[in-house]
Amino acid sequence: GDSVTQMEGPVTLSEEAFLTINCTYTATGYPSLFWYVQYPGEGLQLLLKATKADDKGSNKGFEATYRKETTSFHLEKGSVQVSDSAVYFCALSVGTNAGKSTFGDGTTLTVKP
Amino acid sequence: DADVTQTPRNRITKTGKRIMLECSQTKGHDRMYWYRQDPGLGLRLIYYSFDVKDINKGEISDGYSVSRQAQAKFSLSLESAIPNQTALYFCATSDGVRPQHFGDGTRLSIL
Repeated sequence: GDSVTQMEGPVTLSEEAFLTINCTYTATGYPSLFWYVQYPGEGLQLLLKATKADDKGSNKGFEATYRKETTSFHLEKGSVQVSDSAVYFCALSVGTNAGKSTFGDGTTLTVKP
Repeated sequence: DADVTQTPRNRITKTGKRIMLECSQTKGHDRMYWYRQDPGLGLRLIYYSFDVKDINKGEISDGYSVSRQAQAKFSLSLESAIPNQTALYFCATSDGVRPQHFGDGTRLSIL
C-alpha cells in the first residue's frame, strides 16, 4: 500500500537557521505530494503541493521538489522564524477517485529566538 | 466563519458512553473524511464519504460509525467509548481534485 516516511523529530533550530525535513514515499500509482502545517490548537493547513515529477511547490519561503527518482519530497526553508514553529506533515494522494491522503507521522519544529 | 466546523472542540467522557462528533462544511464539497491523530502516528483515516449515499471504511474503522446526514454534514460516533480512542479527531473535505480542507479538530478524552 501507499506510505509516507518523514524524518523523526522533534527538530529544534535557532531563528534564521536552514531547515530540511526529509520525506520519502511509496505509492502504487503517480501520487500528488503535499506538505501540511499544523499550528498549536489548529487543524492542518496546506503549505505547498506538487502534482508531477520535478515540480517544485513553494509557499511562505518553504520549498519542496517532487523527486520521482528518489521518491522524495523534502521540505526546505532558508531562514526559519519563531512563527514557523509547528508540526509538519508530508502526505500523498493517488488519483482523484480516492481523494484521501496518506500522511507521514509528522515532524515537530521548534524555532528559538 | 470557518469553512469546516467541528463540534465539540473538546470532550471528556467515561468508558462505555456513546459519543457523537459533528462536522459541517460550507465549501460545497462532496467528499468528507474523518481522521484521528495520535502522537507520533500522524493522521489515520477512519471513514470517508464521497456523497450522501456513499460511506467507506478507512484503515481504522473498528469501534466507530458515521452518518452523512446531508452534503454538508458528516458525523462520527463512538457507540461505546474506550480509553484507547482518546485522540484528536479531524474532519476534512475535498472536491476530489484539490487538497483537503481540515477542521480545527476535536480533542476527545475517554476516562
